[in-house]
Amino acid sequence: AQKVTQAQTEISVVEKEDVTLDCVYETRDTTYYLFWYKQPPSGELVFLIRRNSFDEQNEISGRYSWNFQKSTSSFNFTITASQVVDSAVYFCALSEGRSGGGADGLTFGKGTHLIIQP
Amino acid sequence: ETGVTQTPRHLVMGMTNKKSLKCEQHLGHNAMYWYKQSAKKPLELMFVYNFKEQTENNSVPSRFSPECPNSSHLFLHLHTLQPEDSALYLCASSQGGLRTGELFFGEGSRLTVL
Repeated sequence: AQKVTQAQTEISVVEKEDVTLDCVYETRDTTYYLFWYKQPPSGELVFLIRRNSFDEQNEISGRYSWNFQKSTSSFNFTITASQVVDSAVYFCALSEGRSGGGADGLTFGKGTHLIIQP
Repeated sequence: ETGVTQTPRHLVMGMTNKKSLKCEQHLGHNAMYWYKQSAKKPLELMFVYNFKEQTENNSVPSRFSPECPNSSHLFLHLHTLQPEDSALYLCASSQGGLRTGELFFGEGSRLTVL
């Protein structure tokens, strides 16, 4: 069975600090997909990134970066120079290969509530 | 228009009431989903529709009844709910049926069962 663990329930940092959100996953599949979603106070989840299990290259998008390490089954998310607008709940999710990365197989972690203080 | 619209945004109902949640997507997607988000629990997938056909029912109690009349609309009919069903119900859509993980979510319908 697949499982996603986000051990950090809540993180609070001061604006401009860097912050890393941890995600550890479990799966028996060799083909799988990992995701990060952001949920601002308005409620809707916003897709941030999708990664397949064969691509371990780290990715950077502006102030966001992702570190995928199969050896430790982790897919951590770092925000550099955090801003108040980054305050949200962030979810890590996993989809196993049987669905080709399809959303029907998405398993979410419990989320990390990130608070950026001005 | 936002991509995925959910109505109502807030709903309070008694255990004997019958109500429905509505979801509409304006993205031309062909797959739609219902998720349940309870406090301190992971998002739970409830139902998946692909090209109007239900492809997944994640052991959801029969007091929740989905309906997908076309690829743009999805309903969740509620009947004889329990207080523990109080949660945020999120609708989502995706393109490419089962072959994409990028979900587009609505803002959710906050349900309170008294």
